Amino acid sequence: DAKTTQPPSMDCAEGRAANLPCNHSTISGNEYVYWYRQIHSQGPQYIIHGLKNNETNEMASLIITEDRKSSTLILPHATLRDTAVYYCIVVSQGNLIFGKGTKLSVKP
Amino acid sequence: GAGVSQSPRYKVAKRGQDVALRCDPISGHVSLFWYQQALGQGPEFLTYFQNEAQLDKSGLPSDRFFAERPEGSVSTLKIQRTQQEDSAVYLCASSLASGTSTYEQYFGPGTRLTVT
Repeated sequence: DAKTTQPPSMDCAEGRAANLPCNHSTISGNEYVYWYRQIHSQGPQYIIHGLKNNETNEMASLIITEDRKSSTLILPHATLRDTAVYYCIVVSQGNLIFGKGTKLSVKP
Repeated sequence: GAGVSQSPRYKVAKRGQDVALRCDPISGHVSLFWYQQALGQGPEFLTYFQNEAQLDKSGLPSDRFFAERPEGSVSTLKIQRTQQEDSAVYLCASSLASGTSTYEQYFGPGTRLTVT
């Protein structure tokens, strides 16, 4: 499975959109992009996934570039409860490999 | 509905003791996973069950680690002769089906194991 690169940390003001980038330049055609988050002292929580098209659900939007080499997770109106570590994972077979993720701090 | 539950939530063991960690997956979920998460790191895969069959145990760090899911629902992760390096949070996750749905996993709160 392809490797991902994420910034170690980001800040976002409460109420603003949080845009979390992920680079996956070696992604292959059948690999999906999954996003999870982990709030402190909790287990990871599935957010969203996509293959080629942009995706949106009640939690977030996922924008995947046309060449699929990078993606952005968008939390449209971040709240303090969105403070967490966000993991971008590329997978088609095998197991989820979490990496270190991006620690998002939402500030009042 | 009920999510994935794990027990105990906290376990302190003396070095050399055996421990057993329990996972109750979401009812009807076919796939079950165990992960180990060291402080400041992301979760690392240990093992995977589809129903009662253990299909992948490539992540188990040593033969002291053993997992079972005899009836295809509840699972137990057993660690024999615990060592200090086993101190970590052990996470259990379940998913509804196989294939790509396998990766939409629901995690429990974890068991924090401290070996003294």
